[in-house]
Amino acid sequence: GESVGLHLPTLSVQEGDNSIINCAYSNSASDYFIWYKQESGKGPQFIIDIRSNMDKRQGQRVTVLLNKTVKHLSLQIAATQPGDSAVYFCAETYSGGTSYGKLTFGQGTILTVHP
Amino acid sequence: KAGVTQTPRYLIKTRGQQVTLSCSPISGHRSVSWYQQTPGQGLQFLFEYFSETQRNKGNFPGRFSGRQFSNSRSEMNVSTLELGDSALYLCASRSVVHSPLHFGNGTRLTVT
Repeated sequence: GESVGLHLPTLSVQEGDNSIINCAYSNSASDYFIWYKQESGKGPQFIIDIRSNMDKRQGQRVTVLLNKTVKHLSLQIAATQPGDSAVYFCAETYSGGTSYGKLTFGQGTILTVHP
Repeated sequence: KAGVTQTPRYLIKTRGQQVTLSCSPISGHRSVSWYQQTPGQGLQFLFEYFSETQRNKGNFPGRFSGRQFSNSRSEMNVSTLELGDSALYLCASRSVVHSPLHFGNGTRLTVT
């Protein structure tokens, strides 16, 4: 679906807490999902990805969970740090048909980490 | 390895003018995509190029066009600029299918 940029959801946490950012995706045929972090004045930065044949994938301090039944994606950040403050986007794509190479982005979530 | 490079970083144009934005992908990446980011619509796909061929196009008017060169560098052009074209234009590259897009820092276009 189309992303809507107005009134982004916000998440405010204390340094050291764990953060969970959620995303509902739109296309049940999507088979590849990515999380991006965007800091002010910069382009989106790749965090972690997951394919539809998996339901969990871990990286350094981050974990992505995929629930295809309810079309839900989440990003967990362990021991959140002030440097994690940014806007986080989920993105989906389907590798078949005319959607090849096209990412559909979620609206984004603003994460603020307080020292 | 250098990241995706976009030039210029900032542009100010007047309604009715045209503009060309440039993108150099990560070395070895042959696929280049362009996205428009605005506060109202978020990130929206413009088009993707692979081996100098447009592989996919988003829902934008024909005023938006692009091309890719044999060295994988890409340009996008917007003709007859409108105020609503003011946005951050992001270029991204990737190596293969099912690999993540890596974005540049964008070109901020302001149309007055």
